[in-house]
Amino acid sequence: DAKTTQPPSMDCAEGRAANLPCNHSTISGNEYVYWYRQIHSQGPQYIIHGLKNNETNEMASLIITEDRKSSTLILPHATLRDTAVYYCIVTYSGGGADGLTFGKGTHLIIQP
Amino acid sequence: GAVVSQHPSWVICKSGTSVKIECRSLDFQATTMFWYRQFPKQSLMLMATSNEGSKATYEQGVEKDKFLINHASLTLSTLTVTSAHPEDSSFYICSARGGVIGYGYTFGSGTRLTVV
Repeated sequence: DAKTTQPPSMDCAEGRAANLPCNHSTISGNEYVYWYRQIHSQGPQYIIHGLKNNETNEMASLIITEDRKSSTLILPHATLRDTAVYYCIVTYSGGGADGLTFGKGTHLIIQP
Repeated sequence: GAVVSQHPSWVICKSGTSVKIECRSLDFQATTMFWYRQFPKQSLMLMATSNEGSKATYEQGVEKDKFLINHASLTLSTLTVTSAHPEDSSFYICSARGGVIGYGYTFGSGTRLTVV
């Protein structure tokens, strides 16, 4: 799986959009970008994934650059409950036969 | 859909005893399950891959005789920490492949193990 780079921490005001960047310059053509988050002392929660087109669901939007070397996860109206560690992971759809490789992620802190 | 139930949520055991953690896929069949370990302020580290009906595959540095994995059915995998020591205290999380295509992995809520 390709390696990802994320800022270690970010702050965002409640009600504002939180934009979390991720660099994955070694991504291969058939690898997807997945985002998970982990709220303290819980298991990771799936947020969204994409291949090359931008994606949106009820939780977030995913913007992938045209060269696919980076992406941004957008939480449109952040709430205090969005405080968590966010992991950007590049892997094959369904993950193949291997488990996910977690980096250090970004600790997003939503400020009241 | 795609719910993984992990039990217990937390457990305290005495040094030298064994502890079993269960991971169940509630609404889908999971031919493959994964076990992770997470120490405080660190990321998740994959311990082993559990395949239904066959032996688990362990990551380098993980003692297979200490962390026994059984995946006897398509909906249940268990991790047994044998002869637990304080250094085994950690947050253990299971994950299953399956459910909705594209999600890939669904995670359990984790088990906090404290060995005293």
